[in-house]
Amino acid sequence: EDQVTQSPEALRLQEGESSSLNCSYTVSGLRGLFWYRQDPGKGPEFLFTLYSAGEEKEKERLKATLTKKESFLHITAPKPEDSATYLCAALLSGYSTLTFGKGTMLLVSP
Amino acid sequence: DGGITQSPKYLFRKEGQNVTLSCEQNLNHDAMYWYRQDPGQGLRLIYYSQIVNDFQKGDIAEGYSVSREKKESFPLTVTSAQKNPTAFYLCASSSTGTSGVRSSDTQYFGPGTRLTVL
Repeated sequence: EDQVTQSPEALRLQEGESSSLNCSYTVSGLRGLFWYRQDPGKGPEFLFTLYSAGEEKEKERLKATLTKKESFLHITAPKPEDSATYLCAALLSGYSTLTFGKGTMLLVSP
Repeated sequence: DGGITQSPKYLFRKEGQNVTLSCEQNLNHDAMYWYRQDPGQGLRLIYYSQIVNDFQKGDIAEGYSVSREKKESFPLTVTSAQKNPTAFYLCASSSTGTSGVRSSDTQYFGPGTRLTVL
């Protein structure tokens, strides 16, 4: 069964303490890997799409990378406003729908 | 401003009642989706539509119904047959569901509707 697993489930960081979130997938024929940010009570906000192993994308303090088995969302020197749940999702070849992980809840303390 | 709107933001349903959640987009996207989100769970696909007058069941379609009469609109009805409807409902759209163009794969989400059964 195709699956997307995110770890850790929750992560607490001090402001400025860099870390990484993991998204591993046991799917065949990955067509794209998506990262979203979701604030409480709101819809997910699109961050990045990665298509090929070795691809990297950056936005402010966030950098997403992709290998053949997993993706990482690196957060450099986070600020309290980076606190949110981060979701990853996989798009498989031949499909038009996304498979979502359960998310990582990030809390950045001042 | 282009975007996706969902209404209402909060909805309360009595037992045995059908309710309809609205989703409208002005992004000129072909494909639209409905997801359900429960605490501690990932987003689960209810229904999706890649073109007007056509839609497909997702992973948890039982107790739900949809229509796609206009490109801009994809309403979701939660019927009395849905035994546990209390959840956060999210609508999304993408430019096409089957295109080989990579930029069209990205789904954009609305703000959500929180449904509570009384």
